[in-house]
Amino acid sequence: DTGVSQDPRHKITKRGQNVTFRCDPISEHNRLYWYRQTLGQGPEFLTYFQNEAQLEKSRLLSDRFSAERPKGSFSTLEIQRTEQGDSAMYLCASSRNGVTEAFFGQGTRLTVV
Amino acid sequence: AQRVTQPEKLLSVFKGAPVELKCNYSYSGSPELFWYVQYSRQRLQLLLRHISRESIKGFTADLNKGETSFHLKKPFAQEEDSAMYYCALREGGTASKLTFGTGTRLQVTL
Repeated sequence: DTGVSQDPRHKITKRGQNVTFRCDPISEHNRLYWYRQTLGQGPEFLTYFQNEAQLEKSRLLSDRFSAERPKGSFSTLEIQRTEQGDSAMYLCASSRNGVTEAFFGQGTRLTVV
Repeated sequence: AQRVTQPEKLLSVFKGAPVELKCNYSYSGSPELFWYVQYSRQRLQLLLRHISRESIKGFTADLNKGETSFHLKKPFAQEEDSAMYYCALREGGTASKLTFGTGTRLQVTL
């Protein structure tokens, strides 16, 4: 499968623990996006990168959230001191540039207990 | 701020019946509108975008700037159309993030 890949697919963690998710975009896609989706809602934008530069962050991205994209390839999203409200599906997408189609990964489902 | 509204959480139709999934948006500029679809156990994927003005899997959508709508239509529903459909907006210019609606589940029954 040469699409966007996310790891892990599922993560269960205890409240207060830190978690990190990984996203591998389609190769040669210079834009990478993170979205969060809760039950009954559409995906909500969190942040995006152009190559290694993080160009925009949503207000949804609290101080406990940090995203990186070293070398402009894969990206990681870390959540520190997880809370139950962080339980959601975290989606990654990539595109060749800002005007072409965004391709989504399968997502990482986070459950905070 | 931009907003996308999909008023129906669930739309149930019989096979062969026409389908219309509603989408309204609020944005002061010239947006780009999309429909994304998610079939059971599959990832979110693009169905169509308004600038392409094409029909995909029999679906069409016309951007109506006067009514700020981008409804998705298909004349004859098929069982394989059953899925979750999301309308999304991208601001004009260099912005690239998408703003999604809450989605409509289309259920096509025999």
